[in-house]
Amino acid sequence: GDSVTQTKGPVTLSEGTSLTVNCSYETKQYPTLFWYVQYPGEGPQLLFKVPKANEKGSNRGFEATYDKGTTSFHLQKASVQESDSAVYYCVLGMSNYNVLYFGSGTKLTVEP
Amino acid sequence: NSKVIQTPRYLVKGQGQKAKMRCIPEKGHPVVFWYQQNKNNEFKFLINFQNQEVLQQIDMTEKRFSAECPSNSPCSLEIQSSEAGDSALYLCASSPTGGWAETLYFGSGTRLTVL
Repeated sequence: GDSVTQTKGPVTLSEGTSLTVNCSYETKQYPTLFWYVQYPGEGPQLLFKVPKANEKGSNRGFEATYDKGTTSFHLQKASVQESDSAVYYCVLGMSNYNVLYFGSGTKLTVEP
Repeated sequence: NSKVIQTPRYLVKGQGQKAKMRCIPEKGHPVVFWYQQNKNNEFKFLINFQNQEVLQQIDMTEKRFSAECPSNSPCSLEIQSSEAGDSALYLCASSPTGGWAETLYFGSGTRLTVL
């Protein structure tokens, strides 16, 4: 069946350090890949849509590259800020279901 | 800030009671989704609509859950007889087309606690 697996949290980092959240998936479909972020007390919001294979997507200093060969799309940021504290979800959109499949989420806490 | 409006923010019910929550999708978005997010941050798709028509729904939704999106009124999700396991954050999202490659715009959710 279809599945998406991401780095288990929680992750605690100091401001200015780098972040990597790993995400991999299994499906026979050709998915569209997203990263969503959820701040405390809010619903998820799109961080960015990962573009086609081997192209890099980015927003607010976050980047992700989709590796079709390994069916993975890892989220990275070179220097995190306290305001980046949130839960990050890798998400799949698949044509035969027309709904989004969310990973389990990675809770990030950035300490000053 | 999200333009999807969900009310109420918090809902507390006893087991067996009805629980109803509402959602006003973003203007111009004909497709509406309901998701359940549990305390482990796991998301479960419940149902989606395009205009007033149901597109997809899961079995759980068919039995105790009812939902509608009438024209010119907020969408709603109602649990006919609440159970403890229904305690969760219920998220409404809207989309301009509902396509599988489209961004969803989420509200802040209704947090249901079933005592």
